Amino acid sequence: RKEVEQDPGPFNVPEGATVAFNCTYSNSASQSFFWYRQDCRKEPKLLMSVYSSGNEDGRFTAQLNRASQYISLLIRDSKLSDSATYLCVVNPYDYKLSFGAGTTVTVRA
Amino acid sequence: GAVVSQHPSWVICKSGTSVKIECRSLDFQATTMFWYRQFPKQSLMLMATSNEGSKATYEQGVEKDKFLINHASLTLSTLTVTSAHPEDSSFYICSASYRGFAGNTIYFGEGSWLTVV
Repeated sequence: RKEVEQDPGPFNVPEGATVAFNCTYSNSASQSFFWYRQDCRKEPKLLMSVYSSGNEDGRFTAQLNRASQYISLLIRDSKLSDSATYLCVVNPYDYKLSFGAGTTVTVRA
Repeated sequence: GAVVSQHPSWVICKSGTSVKIECRSLDFQATTMFWYRQFPKQSLMLMATSNEGSKATYEQGVEKDKFLINHASLTLSTLTVTSAHPEDSSFYICSASYRGFAGNTIYFGEGSWLTVV
């Protein structure tokens, strides 16, 4: 079983729509969780950390469910610029990061 | 601006030659850096952990003699792909951890695209 699994998508949504997707992780001892954004042929960039109580950053909302070992990302009022691959990242220990394969989101005009 | 810089961004080399990729932390010291590889439409896979002043720690399945890592200073780690073959063509990316007041933040380099022909 992969350490981090994501629905690859693609999620093709119109501007202004809401899109949400999950990822699951296998290591129950994982302590830190993140969503990164990766644009085509570029390095990943931190979108937001995911906290136990859930957190928002503008149009982005992240949730953590430790019991079921999944995290989610919701994007409200989608913009064209939100088109990217979103990577679910889990930190099982030290500074090592485990990456999901990414969920591709395409926002169309 | 970039916090972690990688060079080169793109490199094409002939099969059998060696290629060196540099990863530099800018304005901070990184005792530990990480090297990843990403094939198209796949996740980033950790190859090795680069430790300043000591040997790198390789992940299972990664050949240490093929992927040479040197972390000679607190701001520079290098990855050398030796005797490169077409199957080594990939996106190689490094990361470094910065310990600030808000805790630890992972920064990625811009990545290096390697094409072996």
